[in-house]
Amino acid sequence: DGGITQSPKYLFRKEGQNVTLSCEQNLNHDAMYWYRQDPGQGLRLIYYSQIVNDFQKGDIAEGYSVSREKKESFPLTVTSAQKNPTAFYLCASSIVPGLSYGNEQFFGPGTRLTVL
Amino acid sequence: RKEVEQDPGPFNVPEGATVAFNCTYSNSASQSFFWYRQDCRKEPKLLMSVYSSGNEDGRFTAQLNRASQYISLLIRDSKLSDSATYLCVVLYGQNFVFGPGTRLSVLP
Repeated sequence: DGGITQSPKYLFRKEGQNVTLSCEQNLNHDAMYWYRQDPGQGLRLIYYSQIVNDFQKGDIAEGYSVSREKKESFPLTVTSAQKNPTAFYLCASSIVPGLSYGNEQFFGPGTRLTVL
Repeated sequence: RKEVEQDPGPFNVPEGATVAFNCTYSNSASQSFFWYRQDCRKEPKLLMSVYSSGNEDGRFTAQLNRASQYISLLIRDSKLSDSATYLCVVLYGQNFVFGPGTRLSVLP
């Protein structure tokens, strides 16, 4: 089955620790994205990548880091510098935007991060 | 002004009702438009892409008005399973911009 997987589903972290959230896709999509969603709020873009070994900051990149060493994988690290990391983290992928059709985003099931 | 705005909701409607959601966007260069639904504590799932001439998928109809920078979603014969938050998404350049969502509760 083609799709996007995220792990773990739930993650608990102590303050001051870095944690890495996994995102893998087998849709052969070029673009991958990380979003954060807080309760009752919309999605906010953290980072995105349109090609291997390249990525750009989104609206709320501070305290986060990413890598894109493989097309299929786009892990997100939540560092201790992120002041309020408790949230629902969503990974998405798409073919490279800019086309007039077929450029929808598809989402993984998400990771709920709680800082204790 | 926010880039993508939606009806604030929530909408509480009886089963079988017709309900319409509105969405406006600020960037006239936007080139693609989508409606997603998001169930509580789940990921957003694509409901429909919105095409220039409007499009229909069963009980769902999406319309686009580029001149007014306005998108709508109409749901006919509402089912209990339609209860969710509906997200309007606009793509311009390489950026997907999400609206805050409108929550729908379909009541028995």
